[in-house]
Amino acid sequence: KQEVTQIPAALSVPEGENLVLNCSFTDSAIYNLQWFRQDPGKGLTSLLLIQSSQREQTSGRLNASLDKSSGRSTLYIAASQPGDSATYLCAVGRVNSGYALNFGKGTSLLVTP
Amino acid sequence: EAQVTQNPRYLITVTGKKLTVTCSQNMNHEYMSWYRQDPGLGLRQIYYSMNVEVTDKGDVPEGYKVSRKEKRNFPLILESPSPNQTSLYFCASSQGTDPNQPQHFGDGTRLSIL
Repeated sequence: KQEVTQIPAALSVPEGENLVLNCSFTDSAIYNLQWFRQDPGKGLTSLLLIQSSQREQTSGRLNASLDKSSGRSTLYIAASQPGDSATYLCAVGRVNSGYALNFGKGTSLLVTP
Repeated sequence: EAQVTQNPRYLITVTGKKLTVTCSQNMNHEYMSWYRQDPGLGLRQIYYSMNVEVTDKGDVPEGYKVSRKEKRNFPLILESPSPNQTSLYFCASSQGTDPNQPQHFGDGTRLSIL
């Protein structure tokens, strides 16, 4: 059974800091790994998707890496801003499961001005 | 605007009273899915549909039904809701022909079953 763990559960940083969110998973049989952002009262927004054959993806100030063999991914946020405050969710796409995503419990990020 | 729309957004109801949560997408996506989100448990998949008339169970299907009569709609049905189905529900969709297409989520439906 796939288990997805995110560390830390919560993080508070001053504006401008670079930060790293961690995600680990137990089963390397995955299609991909996705990072989502969840804002209160809103749905999930897809940030980055890394296919199982890829090592990293970048979008603006965000960079996500994937080490499938060790079951780890990191989300790097450069020059954090208060608008980055949200919960960040890591999800792995399971093989042979109808594209099901296994989610971690998330990291709640607060960026203070 | 490309979107996944869920209705209602909030619902308080009583045990045993049948309810339906609707989900509609305007992106011509083949794949649609339902998740529930609970504190300490994260998001878990309830049901999914690879295409019209094709549905299958996810990880936590007990107490739920779905149907996929047309491509754009994927309603979630609770025939006899119970308090343990109190949760935040999300509908998602993706292109479906490729598992590496990102999934688009609705804004969620908060259900309270008394």
